[in-house]
Amino acid sequence: DIQMTQSPSSLSASVGQRATITCRASQSISTYLNWYQQKPGKAPRLLIYAASRLQSGVPSRFSGNGSGTDFILTISSLQPEDFATYYCQQSYNSPLTFGQGTKVEI
Amino acid sequence: DVQLLESGGGMVQPGGSLRLSCAASGFSFTTYAMSWVRQAPGKGLEWVSSISGRGDDTDYADSVKGRFTISRDSSKNTLYLQMNSLTAEDTAVYYCAKHTRSTVVTRTLDNWGQGTLVPVSS
Repeated sequence: DIQMTQSPSSLSASVGQRATITCRASQSISTYLNWYQQKPGKAPRLLIYAASRLQSGVPSRFSGNGSGTDFILTISSLQPEDFATYYCQQSYNSPLTFGQGTKVEI
Repeated sequence: DVQLLESGGGMVQPGGSLRLSCAASGFSFTTYAMSWVRQAPGKGLEWVSSISGRGDDTDYADSVKGRFTISRDSSKNTLYLQMNSLTAEDTAVYYCAKHTRSTVVTRTLDNWGQGTLVPVSS
């Protein structure tokens, strides 16, 4: 199974600041990498697919990049509604696996 | 709009069985693969199972293989998860999710239901 490791596990930031979350895969997954946002008590929401493609309706302050084993999710200017937990997920092969999550807190 | 509505959760004893349902609307149900993903209390996301749009291809996590069965009914636009031999480790919120394509190998989940809680306890 491909292991997905996110860092940091949590980060504290202020509104307007830039936030960066890293995801590393245990083997190369090309750009088969997705990012999800989850707020407490809510379902996950797809933000970024194929490493860098913005899902419809997602604000442009979210961006993703990377390929192979190393990926980054960037939130250029944090807004109050962005405080949530973020998960990366590899779509390269089965089993589909997620990172452990990164909680973005105020 | 795509809507996914899970039901069927509830308390079950260890060793028991439960069937979850996910009613889908707002899209062509047979065109897209579907998955179940679960989340234990306070924990991260764990993929459980996927089924192709036509229902002819399925995939399971090792942790549920042989105990859980995924299926779909195109006449009812409903996805199912039959869960048998449940243990405390199966306690979680179970989400159904829609893939972006019809095959299980397209493992991007672009719409999720609100989840249904399955506590397994005596």
